[in-house]
Amino acid sequence: DQQVKQNSPSLSVQEGRISILNCDYTNSMFDYFLWYKKYPAEGPTFLISISSIKDKNEDGRFTVFLNKSAKHLSLHIVPSQPGDSAVYFCAAKVDYKLSFGAGTTVTVRA
Amino acid sequence: IAGITQAPTSQILAAGRRMTLRCTQDMRHNAMYWYRQDLGLGLRLIHYSNTAGTTGKGEVPDGYSVSRANTDDFPLTLASAVPSQTSVYFCASSAESSYNSPLHFGNGTRLTVT
Repeated sequence: DQQVKQNSPSLSVQEGRISILNCDYTNSMFDYFLWYKKYPAEGPTFLISISSIKDKNEDGRFTVFLNKSAKHLSLHIVPSQPGDSAVYFCAAKVDYKLSFGAGTTVTVRA
Repeated sequence: IAGITQAPTSQILAAGRRMTLRCTQDMRHNAMYWYRQDLGLGLRLIHYSNTAGTTGKGEVPDGYSVSRANTDDFPLTLASAVPSQTSVYFCASSAESSYNSPLHFGNGTRLTVT
């Protein structure tokens, strides 16, 4: 049973607009959360992370929000750029082990 | 360029055959991992190693084995491949000296078992 869920398999957004990716988790013991980005034929690359003691972390165009009571986190990308078209994986960590969601494919339209 | 090298890039394998996927890192990371990526399921952990000489089972270890003779190499072996092992396999490493160290991934091996 997947403990990390990304319920939207795909997202299409116009260039310059905001992309919002959502992720839900079931294990309340998760204490660290990460987002990875993956291009075709490449491995995932680390994008941004957040500790469970925080509710927001920002890095340039990328912001991650964590709502522990709802067991929900989201990634905001603003403004979206064509190079942001990729698969985004949400991941959650406990005891040095990482669990991944199924991924959301983002397509940024010109 | 420092990083993780996986070989082969892709492979077609007959069911029942033995196959070893190779993974080498030059970052001197203590921890290494093997994941498989399947559509709709994301990445699932097969086996991991926190340091040379030790290994552990992940979510989906059946049908796979690993060894960690040294820091740099972490091969994954399929003793007798089955079609359900058709997947993209990613090796990863992290500097476990910090709990918050992110994983660094290789570019993957696409394996098809016929």
